[in-house]
Amino acid sequence: ETGVTQSPTHLIKTRGQQVTLRCSSQSGHNTVSWYQQALGQGPQFIFQYYREEENGRGNFPPRFSGLQFPNYSSELNVNALELDDSALYLCASSDLREETQYFGPGTRLLVL
Amino acid sequence: SQQGEEDPQALSIQEGENATMNCSYKTSINNLQWYRQNSGRGLVHLILIRSNEREKHSGRLRVTLDTSKKSSSLLITASRAADTASYFCATDAMDSNYQLIWGAGTKLIIKP
Repeated sequence: ETGVTQSPTHLIKTRGQQVTLRCSSQSGHNTVSWYQQALGQGPQFIFQYYREEENGRGNFPPRFSGLQFPNYSSELNVNALELDDSALYLCASSDLREETQYFGPGTRLLVL
Repeated sequence: SQQGEEDPQALSIQEGENATMNCSYKTSINNLQWYRQNSGRGLVHLILIRSNEREKHSGRLRVTLDTSKKSSSLLITASRAADTASYFCATDAMDSNYQLIWGAGTKLIIKP
């Protein structure tokens, strides 16, 4: 157990809808990273937040947005859902000074 | 796009045998990490090797790094059924601002 939790565990949405995924960081960690993992693929970096500011972004369109709160928990928002957004969404918390990331169990999103 | 490429894509061995997985990457790195993922859930950190290290051990795991060839290998000795999982390498590129870039993984099956 890493101490990182994500909610919900599963979610079904239809194309065009919006979704919010949530992540609670491990105690003491100030950095959260979000990843998208399609079936059979490795994770793709979406973005990272450090102390409530975006600290880097991968190759994802602006309809993927995020927030980090003062308690370092985080949200991933995806607008105008597309079928290809169906994936496992993983968040990972860390201390920015350390390289190891601690992952939550993920949220599996299905877009119909 | 993926930074790392794992080889093989899938590996099936008998319990007790050794399993070797390889990872190649494209850019200069600060470090390389190996993670394990069970059944499409969260990733678990296994071991980190820094760019100035050539070999590292942790229990039944042995990792090597060859920066001249931009490659790494993960050896699991005396495999157990519980080692069945997907294994991913992730690199922390020098200009990545702590972002991890992942390969597509090796699916390891240990037959009892």
